[in-house]
Amino acid sequence: EAQVTQNPRYLITVTGKKLTVTCSQNMNHEYMSWYRQDPGLGLRQIYYSMNVEVTDKGDVPEGYKVSRKEKRNFPLILESPSPNQTSLYFCASSMNWGAPGYTFGSGTRLTVV
Amino acid sequence: AQTVTQSQPEMSVQEAETVTLSCTYDTSENNYYLFWYKQPPSRQMILVIRQEAYKQQNATENRFSVNFQKAAKSFSLKISDSQLGDTAMYFCAFMLLTRSNYQLIWGAGTKLIIKP
Repeated sequence: EAQVTQNPRYLITVTGKKLTVTCSQNMNHEYMSWYRQDPGLGLRQIYYSMNVEVTDKGDVPEGYKVSRKEKRNFPLILESPSPNQTSLYFCASSMNWGAPGYTFGSGTRLTVV
Repeated sequence: AQTVTQSQPEMSVQEAETVTLSCTYDTSENNYYLFWYKQPPSRQMILVIRQEAYKQQNATENRFSVNFQKAAKSFSLKISDSQLGDTAMYFCAFMLLTRSNYQLIWGAGTKLIIKP
């Protein structure tokens, strides 16, 4: 089944403790992206990647890191999480030019206390 | 910069009624896509319908249709014969066709409640 797999689904952590949210897709998509969803704000892009080893900042990249060493994986790293990073996170992937439309992961609910 | 506005934070209708969700957007570009996504309580993001800006014909998917008014920058979603399973958050989203990023710009969402 074609899908984007995110883990974990729920995560509670403490301020400053490094964490990684994993994202993997099995569709051979070049494009991958991370969004965060906050009430009243919709979804906002954190980082994106056009292909392996190519990443760039979205609208709200502060406090986040990503890497794209393999085509299928695009982990989101919070080096020192803070309470304002409490949010619902989505990973998404898409084929490149000419086929707009995302496949989303199931989301990760992160709480930083 | 592109923006998307959904002016209705919450709506509720009776089952089997027709409901229209509003969306306006702002862009100076000509080539773009518009989307409606549904997010049920399971929080999965589900594509409802997609509209290419260069197409004058409004997109339809079964009970879902859009009214795309390019000059007015309006993109409303009509749900006919609403069902209890349509209860969800609905997001309008805009994608500019560039080769550097396939970023979706999202509205704040409309919470739709279908009452039995």
